[in-house]
Amino acid sequence: DAKTTQPPSMDCAEGRAANLPCNHSTISGNEYVYWYRQIHSQGPQYIIHGLKNNETNEMASLIITEDRKSSTLILPHATLRDTAVYYCIVRVVSGGYNKLIFGAGTRLAVHP
Amino acid sequence: GAGVSQSPSNKVTEKGKDVELRCDPISGHTALYWYRQSLGQGLEFLIYFQGNSAPDKSGLPSDRFSAERTGGSVSTLTIQRTQQEDSAVYLCASSFQGGNSPLHFGNGTRLTVT
Repeated sequence: DAKTTQPPSMDCAEGRAANLPCNHSTISGNEYVYWYRQIHSQGPQYIIHGLKNNETNEMASLIITEDRKSSTLILPHATLRDTAVYYCIVRVVSGGYNKLIFGAGTRLAVHP
Repeated sequence: GAGVSQSPSNKVTEKGKDVELRCDPISGHTALYWYRQSLGQGLEFLIYFQGNSAPDKSGLPSDRFSAERTGGSVSTLTIQRTQQEDSAVYLCASSFQGGNSPLHFGNGTRLTVT
């Protein structure tokens, strides 16, 4: 299984971009990178996923390096409500279904 | 639209009692997952359903834990003879079948065993 490495914590000022890094140097060619976040006392929330190309949706942008060994989740204008634990997950290819293995994540604190 | 619904949201039980936790997935989602999150810990995979069958039960921690799914919809996670170490938040997620479909989680059931 491909492992991911994320910093345990980060800070960001409200209104600024939050750039959350993730290393996945052992990723294989058919494994996707997924990002989820978990706000206190809630279930994890899906943010975005990608394979090779950069992806953008209404929540965030995902930048994947050309060698696919690392990626960055970008929240373009962080708000206080973005304070959460952010999980970078490389999908385990197992039986054709989407078994996600969660690590410790990055605790993002957005401050005024 | 409606998301994944779990009930109860909180459950306090005495050690040795059995508990049942319920999950209503998003309509049309054929894949269903159970996870567990102990206090201050990450999410631990328990079991996966495709329709009513469970091809991956590898995360169930002991034979006191079982789960079933009926009608390809509602799932129940049962813990028999609960122990204090079973205290955790039990999370359910569902998705469309297909390798890249993202999982959508409920807000979990917080189980406390006294």
